[in-house]
Amino acid sequence: EVQLVESGGGLVKPGGSLRLSCAASGFVFNTFSMDWVRQAPGKGLEWVSSISGRSSFIYYADSVKGRFTVSRDNAKNSVYLQMNSLRADDTAVYYCARGPSMMVGMVGAFDVWGPGTMVTVSS
Amino acid sequence: EIMLTQSPATLSVSPGERATLSCRASQSVSDNLAWYQKKPGQAPKLLIYGASTGATDVPARFSGSGSGTEFTLTISSLQSEDFAVYYCQQYGNWPRSFGQGTNLEFK
Repeated sequence: EVQLVESGGGLVKPGGSLRLSCAASGFVFNTFSMDWVRQAPGKGLEWVSSISGRSSFIYYADSVKGRFTVSRDNAKNSVYLQMNSLRADDTAVYYCARGPSMMVGMVGAFDVWGPGTMVTVSS
Repeated sequence: EIMLTQSPATLSVSPGERATLSCRASQSVSDNLAWYQKKPGQAPKLLIYGASTGATDVPARFSGSGSGTEFTLTISSLQSEDFAVYYCQQYGNWPRSFGQGTNLEFK
């Protein structure tokens, strides 16, 4: 079964850091790009970051650029989101999603999603 | 950045009726557009990709159309489980972007 499971969420003070993890199973992990998408309480979906299968290409939303860092460990079938300088408006459920396979570059929809992990930034 | 505008913000429909949701892009995304269904407490679910191709195991009552800047998601005969928020997303340009969502509610 193809599956993604996020972990690492929690309560953190403004200015603090948190590292999210996403463990993948059921597919050839290193052949797919991976993305992070978030949803703040009562708000819509917001794309956060993408990383290609071999980490050659990395992209960020302007709202997190310079504060968040995405990485992956293909040996562990995992993708990570290091979040620094957290702000109240980073409070959201963070989803890990599978992007397109390397066969189509990085142009494709997100076909598998994890259940999400909640990040709350508050003093 | 490509902006996606969805309309209407809320759509009230009765079970068995047809629902038509729209998504307009601020510039052409070709057919690099997807639709997702989102229910409270659940992860988003991919319904349509490539503007008109149904994702795996998605019921045939869901269909997508359009290209360039104008897109439509149609649900031909609403079932009770279809009441949710629907988002369009473009994946042809960076940064990726989502529409603000259409809340499909029970009339």
